[in-house]
Formats: sequence, C-alpha cells, structure tokens
Amino acid sequence: RKEVEQDPGPFNVPEGATVAFNCTYSNSASQSFFWYRQDCRKEPKLLMSVYSSGNEDGRFTAQLNRASQYISLLIRDSKLSDSATYLCVAYSKGKLIFGQGTELSVKP
Amino acid sequence: EAQVTQNPRYLITVTGKKLTVTCSQNMNHEYMSWYRQDPGLGLRQIYYSMNVEVTDKGDVPEGYKVSRKEKRNFPLILESPSPNQTSLYFCASSLPVSGNTGELFFGEGSRLTVL
Repeated sequence: RKEVEQDPGPFNVPEGATVAFNCTYSNSASQSFFWYRQDCRKEPKLLMSVYSSGNEDGRFTAQLNRASQYISLLIRDSKLSDSATYLCVAYSKGKLIFGQGTELSVKP
Repeated sequence: EAQVTQNPRYLITVTGKKLTVTCSQNMNHEYMSWYRQDPGLGLRQIYYSMNVEVTDKGDVPEGYKVSRKEKRNFPLILESPSPNQTSLYFCASSLPVSGNTGELFFGEGSRLTVL
C-alpha cells in the first residue's frame, strides 16, 4: 500500500464548479501535510499547508482529519487556470512523501 | 532570481553510457534532493542530502549516485543507464526540511530517455 494515496482522476468540471480532492495516508506518525500544484510537464510548487483546524486561502480550503487519516482540498468557483495536477504530501521524520497526484481539468 | 537549475533539460542516450544531470541552487539551502516522476507512481525520492558531504538513499536509489561537495551543487550520476531509468527527474532544495514548512523548490525537470 502506498504511504500517501490519491484518486488520480481526471476530474473534469465546468468553470465555476466546486471540486474536492481527498488523500489518505497510512503512517499515523505523519506530522504535517501539504498540497502542491503541478502544471503539465512543469515542476511542482507548494500550494498550501494543511492545519488541523483547517485553513483557507482564497478559493482554496484544506482540511485534515487525523482520526480517519485523510486530508482534503476544496476548490470553489473553479477557474480555467486551476487545471493542473494536485499533489498531496505528508511529512514524517524528515521526509516529504508525495502522493501520485490528482488531475483536474476545468472546462469552459 | 532564486532558483534551482538543472541540466540538461532533455536527453536521449543509450544503455550503458554514463551521464550526469547537474543541479545547482542559489538560495544557500542546506537540503537538496532528487526525485523521479513516472506515470501512476508520482514523485519518488532517489537520494537526498541534508548538507555538504552528507547524502542518504531515498526510496529508489538503485542505479544512481550523487555527491555533495559544495552546498549549491548536487549532481545525479547514472553510471550505466538502463531503459527503466527513462523518466522525468526533478532536483529540489529547501531549508532544513521540517514539519513547519513543507516548501521544496524544484528545478524545471530533466526528461531522460534511455534507449
């Protein structure tokens, strides 16, 4: 079983839609979590950290459920420019473990 | 401009021909790492370095070597490349990785094809 698992998608949504991605992690000792964004054939970039209390950055909301060992990313009012792959990342003992990514395609 | 620079960006080579992918960062970061990215498998760590002269194996180190003689450089060496090393490679750097900040700065990637 992979340490960090995501639904690879693709998620095809119309502009303006709300879309949610989930990610599960197997190591209960994982200390913190992050979402990265990767545009096609480009390098990943940090999108946001995920805090236990949940956090919001504009149209993006990240949540962590330690009891169920999953994290989520909610994107409201999707824009064409949100089309990308979203990578879930867990930090544990000095290492960052990446999920395989969830592909999002926002259509006009 | 703060950046991580990888070279070459694209390379086609043949089995067994030694090659080196260079990585350089200008942010004075202590931590550097190499990843490979393959469809359906995500980013997998090859090797990482916590500081100069300190390197450790990641999850998929077989067939690769690294060195960290200077803080800014972290080359990836394929002594005898094989077709299963065809992949997209990313170098990344950061301040010491901690739970407080998960921000890795990635290079633009090096697409390697081994025939």
